[in-house]
Amino acid sequence: KAGVTQTPRYLIKTRGQQVTLSCSPISGHRSVSWYQQTPGQGLQFLFEYFSETQRNKGNFPGRFSGRQFSNSRSEMNVSTLELGDSALYLCASRGQGDEQFFGPGTRLTVL
Amino acid sequence: GNSVTQMEGPVTLSEEAFLTINCTYTATGYPSLFWYVQYPGEGLQLLLKATKADDKGSNKGFEATYRKETTSFHLEKGSVQVSDSAVYFCALRQDTGTASKLTFGTGTRLQVTL
Repeated sequence: KAGVTQTPRYLIKTRGQQVTLSCSPISGHRSVSWYQQTPGQGLQFLFEYFSETQRNKGNFPGRFSGRQFSNSRSEMNVSTLELGDSALYLCASRGQGDEQFFGPGTRLTVL
Repeated sequence: GNSVTQMEGPVTLSEEAFLTINCTYTATGYPSLFWYVQYPGEGLQLLLKATKADDKGSNKGFEATYRKETTSFHLEKGSVQVSDSAVYFCALRQDTGTASKLTFGTGTRLQVTL
């Protein structure tokens, strides 16, 4: 079974731009969560989607948004990028059990 | 709110040494507890988990016991290898209805030398 895939793996943007990151969960998994990882703040929960509905949201500004499609693939969007948005963005999918399976992440650098 | 506290790293050990990484948590109710490992340049991999008090999770020689009385989930391994060098994250999941999210500790970097 293929794992969680994230595209692109690396991204460089400049301040003020917007960015869209993509996540394809493990086949059959309907829950997709997003996390931001930075050296200063560690791993922080962004949001969770289940069957195209956002059912949990972390404490991030409205510039961070996401969505999920009918095939469970998910995208997250960050608008008006700031230097502090530079981070590794991790996506995780979950099936019926406890375990969340993480993708390799997208490393975003904002210049 | 929920929180997870891990010991500060880095932890540097010689190969075959005994490893303990401390983890304590604050949560209401009965969260599930996890240890994740992150190797350089990669995402997180689940190492082990425990879903109720006194459960012991184990995998690849690593163990951790869910201690509700001390709100702890310390990671141990009897004999570490160079290949265990990585960052280890303790996490809890508090399910609220159907929604769930992981709350992570800050991570502990382990470096094992020959």
